Amino acid sequence: DADVTQTPRNRITKTGKRIMLECSQTKGHDRMYWYRQDPGLGLRLIYYSFDVKDINKGEISDGYSVSRQAQAKFSLSLESAIPNQTALYFCATSANNQPQHFGDGTRLSIL
Amino acid sequence: ILNVEQSPQSLHVQEGDSTNFTCSFPSSNFYALHWYRWETAKSPEALFVMTLNGDEKKKGRISATLNTKEGYSYLYIKGSQPEDSATYLCAFSDTGNQFYFGTGTSLTVIP
Repeated sequence: DADVTQTPRNRITKTGKRIMLECSQTKGHDRMYWYRQDPGLGLRLIYYSFDVKDINKGEISDGYSVSRQAQAKFSLSLESAIPNQTALYFCATSANNQPQHFGDGTRLSIL
Repeated sequence: ILNVEQSPQSLHVQEGDSTNFTCSFPSSNFYALHWYRWETAKSPEALFVMTLNGDEKKKGRISATLNTKEGYSYLYIKGSQPEDSATYLCAFSDTGNQFYFGTGTSLTVIP
């Protein structure tokens, strides 16, 4: 089983819909991150959390929200999806400033 | 928002050639520099974490150096093989525990 699991792997939806991307980990790491990847722009940080009670905005948090339901779970929500949120989304975990471990990604398309 | 720059953006080399590429990052508030290897259709995998000025790390034919005073790191691949083809990402983490990724160097090794 993967250490960092993202669901769904692929999703196609319509503008205005609410979308939730789930991330769970079995590595026991305190830190969890959500990134989006767009061609030519690399990985950009959306939100990150250092423990269950800690939520921090990243570089591009507008239009997104997150929930850290437990140490092992960190979900990303798009309250009202728009086409420019079409991207590849990655969840990652780490111990204190150690390398990040990434999930396999969620490919999200918003029509 | 901090600027992490990688060069070149893409690189094609012949099998057996040695190659190197650069990651430039801000020299202030430095905590660590990370290198990741990202193969197509997979998720990024950590190669090295370096924290001290002058650090050198090596894993097989791949090595990396770090200069925190001038804000750059080099990644070297000796005797490139087709399986080395991937995008190589660097990420700068600061004393506030934020991660900033570069856009990557795409390496293609031609058999």
